[in-house]
Amino acid sequence: QQPVQSPQAVILREGEDAVINCSSSKALYSVHWYRQKHGEAPVFLMILLKGGEQKGHEKISASFNEKKQQSSLYLTASQLSYSGTYFCGTEKDDYKLSFGAGTTVTVRA
Amino acid sequence: DADVTQTPRNRITKTGKRIMLECSQTKGHDRMYWYRQDPGLGLRLIYYSFDVKDINKGEISDGYSVSRQAQAKFSLSLESAIPNQTALYFCATGSDTQYFGPGTRLTVL
Repeated sequence: QQPVQSPQAVILREGEDAVINCSSSKALYSVHWYRQKHGEAPVFLMILLKGGEQKGHEKISASFNEKKQQSSLYLTASQLSYSGTYFCGTEKDDYKLSFGAGTTVTVRA
Repeated sequence: DADVTQTPRNRITKTGKRIMLECSQTKGHDRMYWYRQDPGLGLRLIYYSFDVKDINKGEISDGYSVSRQAQAKFSLSLESAIPNQTALYFCATGSDTQYFGPGTRLTVL
């Protein structure tokens, strides 16, 4: 079952902040975040593991609430390069990901 | 050279034709995946393989089959293509981090 992402789209000016949410109805082992720019392949941003370990991007942060099966991605002081569609991928204990429908982020100068 | 390559990059075919999409990776990973992407639906898992002898169905495997010819090669076949299978197809490899190929845009008329 696919996780639910919100919002579907967000428009920012450079320097503004945004939060993207991802929630699942099932217990999760990890949450992965990817960004896809128009016409390109998705690119890994970060992974959040059950137990609090986090690996990934230096300028974009995220949180993982295991009890609520929710994750949030924080875009802080957004840059033009942050534009794209962000996908969360949730992993139970079976080593495969279910991706959300995506959140389109547009950062304007 | 790209770590994950897909051929063809674009394909237009007719209903009922057999189509094969190929994927090769040079990252040395055991795990490989096939996804399809449709607007508003994100990435959905078709099939995945954890090694040469292991093939598993994903969320939407009906109408598709796969072959893992070697650690580096994973092919997706549409035995009898239908217009509903028009989509962008991505191959990926990896475990904690998935590395995506550039995608194959398939149109079934």
